[in-house]
Amino acid sequence: GESVGLHLPTLSVQEGDNSIINCAYSNSASDYFIWYKQESGKGPQFIIDIRSNMDKRQGQRVTVLLNKTVKHLSLQIAATQPGDSAVYFCAESKTGRRALTFGSGTRLQVQP
Amino acid sequence: EAGVAQSPRYKIIEKRQSVAFWCNPISGHATLYWYQQILGQGPKLLIQFQNNGVVDDSQLPKDRFSAERLKGVDSTLKIQPAKLEDSAVYLCASSLDNGFQTQYFGPGTRLLVL
Repeated sequence: GESVGLHLPTLSVQEGDNSIINCAYSNSASDYFIWYKQESGKGPQFIIDIRSNMDKRQGQRVTVLLNKTVKHLSLQIAATQPGDSAVYFCAESKTGRRALTFGSGTRLQVQP
Repeated sequence: EAGVAQSPRYKIIEKRQSVAFWCNPISGHATLYWYQQILGQGPKLLIQFQNNGVVDDSQLPKDRFSAERLKGVDSTLKIQPAKLEDSAVYLCASSLDNGFQTQYFGPGTRLLVL
């Protein structure tokens, strides 16, 4: 497992700065990757996804980068806002098995 | 479009008691998932349904956990008897069954076992 217990890695940024959250995945056969945002007391909220035939995908203020060579995924948030403060999870899946395997999460704290 | 609904939102029980959670997925979503999220960790799959059939229950502790999805819509997850280590948030998610894998999560049920 990838548990880190109560001590989630934390990224602290100033409002307006860009944020980069990183994730290493373990299964080289995974071909679908997704980022979720989870605020306290709420379920995970979809942010952006990417398939293994792409290495970059952009959304509104967010970009996901995929490096299959080193099995690394990153989420870039532009002009970070206080409302972006949350725990961010990456997850992976493999065609034929739709269930997601989640990473351990990163807490993003945005300082005003 | 309404999201995934779950109830109750909170539940406190004593160990060895029974508890049940309910989930109503997004309309038209054929695939339904139950995840367990222990504090400070990512969600972990318990069971996956395709319509009313079980696709994957390999990580479901079947000696105490059970789930059903009658008529391929709503689902219930039951724990009997509960243990202290079952304290967690139980998340329900659903997705379309047309090759897209984006899963949409409900707010979860927070269970505390004393």
